[in-house]
Amino acid sequence: DVKVTQSSRYLVKRTGEKVFLECVQDMDHENMFWYRQDPGLGLRLIYFSYDVKMKEKGDIPEGYSVSREKKERFSLILESASTNQTSMYLCASSFLDWSSYNSPLHFGNGTRLTVT
Amino acid sequence: SQQGEEDPQALSIQEGENATMNCSYKTSINNLQWYRQNSGRGLVHLILIRSNEREKHSGRLRVTLDTSKKSSSLLITASRAADTASYFCAFFTGTASKLTFGTGTRLQVTL
Repeated sequence: DVKVTQSSRYLVKRTGEKVFLECVQDMDHENMFWYRQDPGLGLRLIYFSYDVKMKEKGDIPEGYSVSREKKERFSLILESASTNQTSMYLCASSFLDWSSYNSPLHFGNGTRLTVT
Repeated sequence: SQQGEEDPQALSIQEGENATMNCSYKTSINNLQWYRQNSGRGLVHLILIRSNEREKHSGRLRVTLDTSKKSSSLLITASRAADTASYFCAFFTGTASKLTFGTGTRLQVTL
């Protein structure tokens, strides 16, 4: 079974801190994603990566950056955390399937971040 | 927004009843996927239906797709308490790697 592991289930940080959320997958997937999930807004894509050192902006990249130095690891960085970044953060991975777009996403269990 | 819309937002049924949730979207799609999320957990892929398919079954799940109406439905038959979760539709917009999710339906199955 595919395993996507997020380093923390719960995290509490102060406004202005630099925050790192880590995600590791063990299935040699090319694609990795970061979503945030908020009540009433569903899942929104922050960034994704389809290869090492490659990154693409999602729908809400402002205030975030990402790093993918190794294929199995995708990090989300909040350069200066703000209270409006309090949310559930979900990491996911999938195979790269340009021909049929049929690869399902495999999700980690999420990191619930609170910024005070 | 290109996000999918799901209805109802919340659904409460008794064990043994069927649950139907609907998803509408605005763009052309190659396929549509359904995911389940148990409380406080990540999403789990349930089923995928391709744009040239109209109906697909997997165990107690039945998915339909109407591309002319840009809508899909997920039917869970003979529901169980363990089916209590949120259910999301998802589809690719723009690039092959960017999956967009619907707003979700919260299903509560009571004994």
